[in-house]
Amino acid sequence: DADVTQTPRNRITKTGKRIMLECSQTKGHDRMYWYRQDPGLGLRLIYYSFDVKDINKGEISDGYSVSRQAQAKFSLSLESAIPNQTALYFCATSDSRGRETQYFGPGTRLLVL
Amino acid sequence: KQEVTQIPAALSVPEGENLVLNCSFTDSAIYNLQWFRQDPGKGLTSLLLIQSSQREQTSGRLNASLDKSSGRSTLYIAASQPGDSATYLCAVWYSSASKIIFGSGTRLSIRP
Repeated sequence: DADVTQTPRNRITKTGKRIMLECSQTKGHDRMYWYRQDPGLGLRLIYYSFDVKDINKGEISDGYSVSRQAQAKFSLSLESAIPNQTALYFCATSDSRGRETQYFGPGTRLLVL
Repeated sequence: KQEVTQIPAALSVPEGENLVLNCSFTDSAIYNLQWFRQDPGKGLTSLLLIQSSQREQTSGRLNASLDKSSGRSTLYIAASQPGDSATYLCAVWYSSASKIIFGSGTRLSIRP
């Protein structure tokens, strides 16, 4: 079974719609991250959370919000989706008690029409 | 500005060759550096992580080195195999700004 899971794996939505991407992990890690990947731009950090009560903006947080519902769950919301948010989204986890190696989920491919 | 650069963007070599992938960073005040591989349409798989205080890490046929003074890291792959074909990404974590920056990757193709 995958240690870091993301749902949905693929999503098509329309401009202006609100959508939520979910991430769950069974690794027992305290830190979780959301990234987006665009061709030619690499991965960029959207938000990260070092524990349940800690939420931090990353490099490109505008237009996104997050919720850390539990240590194992971290959700990313697009309040009003726009076409330039079309991208591949990844969730990742790391353990502050360890070497902080980041472990990635399989990704969610989002298309905003 | 903190930047991470990977050159070349693409590399094709015959099977069996030893090869080196490069990663350079502009700010040497790093917390750690991590190498990943990404297969097409898939997530990232962690290969090696080097802490700021370390010079290198090894795992099987892979060896990663870190030279903070010159702002460089290399990933050495010994006896390359077709299964090594993937995109290799390096990522630098800056603890002072709690920021992680990824390079754009090197797309590696190993020819049988």
